[in-house]
Amino acid sequence: DIQMTQSPASLSASLGETVTIECLASEDIYSNLAWYQQKPGKSPQLLIYYTNSLNDGVPSRFSGSGSGTQYSLKINSLQSEDVSIYFCQQSYDIPYTFGAGTKLELK
Amino acid sequence: EVKLVESGGGLVQPGRSLKLSCAASEFNFNDYWMGWVRQAPGKGLEWIGEINKDSSTKHYTPSLKDKFTISRDNAQNTLYLQMSKLGSEDTAIYYCARYNTFLAFDYWGQGVMVTVSS
Repeated sequence: DIQMTQSPASLSASLGETVTIECLASEDIYSNLAWYQQKPGKSPQLLIYYTNSLNDGVPSRFSGSGSGTQYSLKINSLQSEDVSIYFCQQSYDIPYTFGAGTKLELK
Repeated sequence: EVKLVESGGGLVQPGRSLKLSCAASEFNFNDYWMGWVRQAPGKGLEWIGEINKDSSTKHYTPSLKDKFTISRDNAQNTLYLQMSKLGSEDTAIYYCARYNTFLAFDYWGQGVMVTVSS
């Protein structure tokens, strides 16, 4: 299985700040990487797919980048509604594994 | 608005079986691959498996391949997850989800809780 190592596990940031979450794959996943946001008690929601494609309705302050084994999610100008857990997922090889998640809180 | 609604969860004894359903609406169900994901309490997401449009192809995470079976009924716009030999480690919220063309889950159900306990 491809292992997805997500960092940091938790993150505290201030409103308006820019934050970056990283995901490292155990092998090349050829840009087949998605990011999800999960708010407490809710289902995950797709933010970014295929590394850098913004899903419909997702604010443009979210962006994704990366290649090979290293990928990142950047949130510009952090808003209060961004407090969530963020997960990455590779869809290059079955099973399509998720990262362990990054819990983003407000400072 | 695309809608996915899971049902069939609840409390089940260890070793027993349970079948979850996921009712899909407001999109052409038979045009999409579908999948199941679960989340143990306070834990991360685990990909369970997927099924293609006409049920001819199914994939599972290896550790669940002998316990779980995914199926679908396109006439009823419904996805299923048959779970057998359940253990406490299967206690989780189970989500059904729809794939987009880039194999990301673009719509998720609200989830259904399965608790395995005697």
